[in-house]
Amino acid sequence: EPEVTQTPSHQVTQMGQEVILRCVPISNHLYFYWYRQILGQKVEFLVSFYNNEISEKSEIFDDQFSVERPDGSNFTLKIRSTKLEDSAMYFCASSPDRGFTDTQYFGPGTRLTVL
Amino acid sequence: AQSVAQPEDQVNVAEGNPLTVKCTYSVSGNPYLFWYVQYPNRGLQFLLKYITGDNLVKGSYGFEAEFNKSQTSFHLKKPSALVSDSALYFCAVRDRRGGGNMLTFGGGTRLMVKP
Repeated sequence: EPEVTQTPSHQVTQMGQEVILRCVPISNHLYFYWYRQILGQKVEFLVSFYNNEISEKSEIFDDQFSVERPDGSNFTLKIRSTKLEDSAMYFCASSPDRGFTDTQYFGPGTRLTVL
Repeated sequence: AQSVAQPEDQVNVAEGNPLTVKCTYSVSGNPYLFWYVQYPNRGLQFLLKYITGDNLVKGSYGFEAEFNKSQTSFHLKKPSALVSDSALYFCAVRDRRGGGNMLTFGGGTRLMVKP
């Protein structure tokens, strides 16, 4: 069964450094998402991406964040200058299309630790 | 704005007994509702969803959920719990009105099934 994959599983970085989290969505899916979960808190939506542009973003997704689909398979989340409060589990998800009934399938997550 | 509440941080049941994990939601329009499960060191796995039609939805691993519009609830149920069902369960909602594909998650409920 196709799965969303994410690398790395754990990333440790120093405050102020740039990080890139990588995701490979399910191959025939068209709609991509990033969510995050700070330890002990809810899973929160960050951004959705369709047809090579951002479709929606939350207030969390400020100028420090960017997303990109650099090739036909990868979907990345970049944090330009990490802060301590960016420490969280970051989940990538994909869905077949942009229909409201479509299921979002999640990857295993990348745990980001900012020191 | 849409929101989801999972009133129980943890549910404990004995193996073989029925289980219920509660979820209530708030949306401005009609909801699309989802249940996901998270096993340790794994991503969010889709269990089932309610889109329209029959209020009782059947999903993976013998789970089902009942949509109750008057009580704005979507409780997850299973007739006979297994030890292997022990995991973290998340309810999520998407509002049909207002567009957008983002999911709003509840805080999660840890299910502990004891032998």
